[in-house]
Amino acid sequence: AQTVTQSQPEMSVQEAETVTLSCTYDTSESDYYLFWYKQPPSRQMILVIRQEAYKQQNATENRFSVNFQKAAKSFSLKISDSQLGDAAMYFCACPRANSKLTFGKGITLSVRP
Amino acid sequence: DAGITQSPRHKVTETGTPVTLRCHQTENHRYMYWYRQDPGHGLRLIHYSYGVKDTDKGEVSDGYSVSRSKTEDFLLTLESATSSQTSVYFCAISGYTDSSESEAFFGQGTRLTVV
Repeated sequence: AQTVTQSQPEMSVQEAETVTLSCTYDTSESDYYLFWYKQPPSRQMILVIRQEAYKQQNATENRFSVNFQKAAKSFSLKISDSQLGDAAMYFCACPRANSKLTFGKGITLSVRP
Repeated sequence: DAGITQSPRHKVTETGTPVTLRCHQTENHRYMYWYRQDPGHGLRLIHYSYGVKDTDKGEVSDGYSVSRSKTEDFLLTLESATSSQTSVYFCAISGYTDSSESEAFFGQGTRLTVV
């Protein structure tokens, strides 16, 4: 079975500060991808960043970066210079074979002005 | 934006009635998914499809059935709706290949209330 665990249901960050959202996963596959999605109050699911497991280098997209620890099966999302618009629910996801996509329970991030 | 549309967007129905939600895509993606989203549970996979007439169960499939008679449409049916099926339902599509690298694109969601 494949699981994705997000153990922190809520986090809060001061505007302009940095916050890290944690995710661990379990997979039996040797090659896979990992994703972080953002869901703002509009409910729309938006891809934030993806990581290819066979790549050593951590993915970066502007203010968003990941800390990928393959041996530990950890995939954390770091948000730098947090903005009010970053307030949302964030989901970690890991596809299985045949692209069956499994999500964590999500983390609600609030940003304090 | 990916061409994926869910209908209806909102629905209120009575316990025991059948309900069908529709997901329509214009992207020719092979894989289609139905999820439900509930507080404290995140997104849970109900059913998914990996091709026309090829479907499989997810983790919370009891009480739901699906059909996919053509690439662009994936229907989710609640045969006899119950209050526990009150939720927000999302359709997603991914993968024009077998690769797991493809991101998923989501519909806008359907808020279903069973009274």
